Amino acid sequence: TQLLEQSPQFLSIQEGENLTVYCNSSSVFSSLQWYRQEPGEGPVLLVTVVTGGEVKKLKRLTFQFGDARKDSSLHITAAQPGDTGLYLCAGGGGTSYGKLTFGQGTILTVHP
Amino acid sequence: GAVVSQHPSWVICKSGTSVKIECRSLDFQATTMFWYRQFPKQSLMLMATSNEGSKATYEQGVEKDKFLINHASLTLSTLTVTSAHPEDSSFYICSADTGAVSSGANVLTFGAGSRLTVL
Repeated sequence: TQLLEQSPQFLSIQEGENLTVYCNSSSVFSSLQWYRQEPGEGPVLLVTVVTGGEVKKLKRLTFQFGDARKDSSLHITAAQPGDTGLYLCAGGGGTSYGKLTFGQGTILTVHP
Repeated sequence: GAVVSQHPSWVICKSGTSVKIECRSLDFQATTMFWYRQFPKQSLMLMATSNEGSKATYEQGVEKDKFLINHASLTLSTLTVTSAHPEDSSFYICSADTGAVSSGANVLTFGAGSRLTVL
């Protein structure tokens, strides 16, 4: 069974601060996705990374996939209250196309 | 873009009754859909993979007779919670494989979820 350990589980910061969320596994994933979910809604895909060492940027968000494709990180620069939400990493792999393994999630609260 | 609709978005039922949740792909056909369960402030737990025209594949620990899944068409999968009890209260989310590939990975679209409260 592939497991994804996501940390921290809770993060409460002030507007303007930077933060990093980590997603680690002992298993190799063919792809890793990051989602953001707001209360009462389904997750929304932010990014997909598939190549070891890959770095992708989405405005103030920077996503990195580890060289061995076992870990990933999400870094937010100058966080804003609108960034508040549940962030989820999810790994896909092998023959289970479309079947995702989700990390525990990180609840981010950005205070004005 | 690909849209997945879930219905109902919110349902309250009495203990012992059955509740059906629908997951529809509105502008694409989905051979494969997935059903997840999510408790407050927690992550998504995969319950089962729903395959059109065949039996669903359930994850370990998920009761097949409790959570009935039917994927009778390429645009509709249903999850029926049978003989619901208060511990079944949760947020149920479906996702559909759009068949597209982006950045080397299958593109999934998630529904907005269905909140079930069993009294």
